[in-house]
Amino acid sequence: QVQLVQSGSELKKPGASVKVSCKASGYTFTSYAMNWVRQAPGQGLEWMGWINTNTGNPTYAQGFTGRFVFSLDTSVSTAYLQISSLKAEDTAVYYCARGTVTTPFDYWGQGTLVTVSS
Amino acid sequence: QSALTQPPSASGSPGQSVTISCTGTSSDVGGYNYVSWYQQHPGKAPKLMIYEVTKRPSGVPDRFSGSKSGNTASLTVSGLQSEDEADYYCSSYAGSNNWVFGTGTKVTVL
Repeated sequence: QVQLVQSGSELKKPGASVKVSCKASGYTFTSYAMNWVRQAPGQGLEWMGWINTNTGNPTYAQGFTGRFVFSLDTSVSTAYLQISSLKAEDTAVYYCARGTVTTPFDYWGQGTLVTVSS
Repeated sequence: QSALTQPPSASGSPGQSVTISCTGTSSDVGGYNYVSWYQQHPGKAPKLMIYEVTKRPSGVPDRFSGSKSGNTASLTVSGLQSEDEADYYCSSYAGSNNWVFGTGTKVTVL
């Protein structure tokens, strides 16, 4: 069965960096894109962008350029989200979600809570 | 691009129907038949309920149905059950390999 398993919660200080992992299993990793979605506390879902798992080419949504980096290690079927120069407003649950054009977010990871606090 | 507009809340009694709207523009909802709906219970990851406007993934009850007219898509939940109480989000393709989510609707089963 398809599974996306994300790394555990993180507590970081402002200005630090964090790297969230998303390990896929149960399907051919390079057959589906990987999206990243942010959900701030008590707020809605926000699409951050996606990475082409064949080429490694990322696409970032408006507001997620510069400090946000998507990457892959296809040898272990894992996608990564790195956020640098963390700010308090980056505190959120970050989800990875598999997708295609027709079904953009058909399977989701369990989410990773990133808390930024001094 | 801006988030799609959904009503903040909707409610219905068990057995009744509730319909949630999702309003965008001709650049997203109105321009493509790639509207999806997601159910999210508190503390859980979202779950795909409808894709390509009207299609249901395997395992999703047929009480859930989707439609679209112009720039507005809709999700209808018929025969409301207590487990349907959750937040619901729409999403749409917005062109140039971009996607956008709706603002979210909290459904309450009275």
